[in-house]
Amino acid sequence: DQQVKQNSPSLSVQEGRISILNCDYTNSMFDYFLWYKKYPAEGPTFLISISSIKDKNEDGRFTVFLNKSAKHLSLHIVPSQPGDSAVYFCAANPSNYGQNFVFGPGTRLSVLP
Amino acid sequence: KAGVTQTPRYLIKTRGQQVTLSCSPISGHRSVSWYQQTPGQGLQFLFEYFSETQRNKGNFPGRFSGRQFSNSRSEMNVSTLELGDSALYLCASSLVYAGGIGDEKLFFGSGTQLSVL
Repeated sequence: DQQVKQNSPSLSVQEGRISILNCDYTNSMFDYFLWYKKYPAEGPTFLISISSIKDKNEDGRFTVFLNKSAKHLSLHIVPSQPGDSAVYFCAANPSNYGQNFVFGPGTRLSVLP
Repeated sequence: KAGVTQTPRYLIKTRGQQVTLSCSPISGHRSVSWYQQTPGQGLQFLFEYFSETQRNKGNFPGRFSGRQFSNSRSEMNVSTLELGDSALYLCASSLVYAGGIGDEKLFFGSGTQLSVL
């Protein structure tokens, strides 16, 4: 039973437009969420995070929105660039000490020039 | 500052064999976690080590094991390999506790691609 879900395996967006990647979770104990980006043949790299006490966090072209009541978060990339083409993983951090991150299955984003 | 280093990058083994993968964390990082990545499954947590002690373990069979040395370097071992063990194995290090408190982040290596024939 996946606790973190990314229901879109892939997404294609035109360069310059907005990319919206979605993530849903089931465990209400999650209190910190992170997005990681992964290029082929490389390990995932941290992109942006959000604490459960916030509903929005912005870093340049990247914004993450959190809707706790819906147990849903989304990553917005504006404007999208070809270099953003990668697999994006949503990860959740339980509040319990000693627990480990739970990752979603990932969404492959393709930004078309 | 050097990143997380995993060796080897690629491995080809046959069923029934065993394999050992190595991970050197970022200098000063004391926690090392291992993940298995397969298509469509995302990153599945294997185990985490901190100060040479296994702190947490995922839902994998006992064929998967690991250890951490006093210099924080870690190895994972898979015995009696099965075809389904073919995957990218990722190691990640963090300064203190992987995911334990607040915004502790994971820093990943490039992974070891294991193919079991």
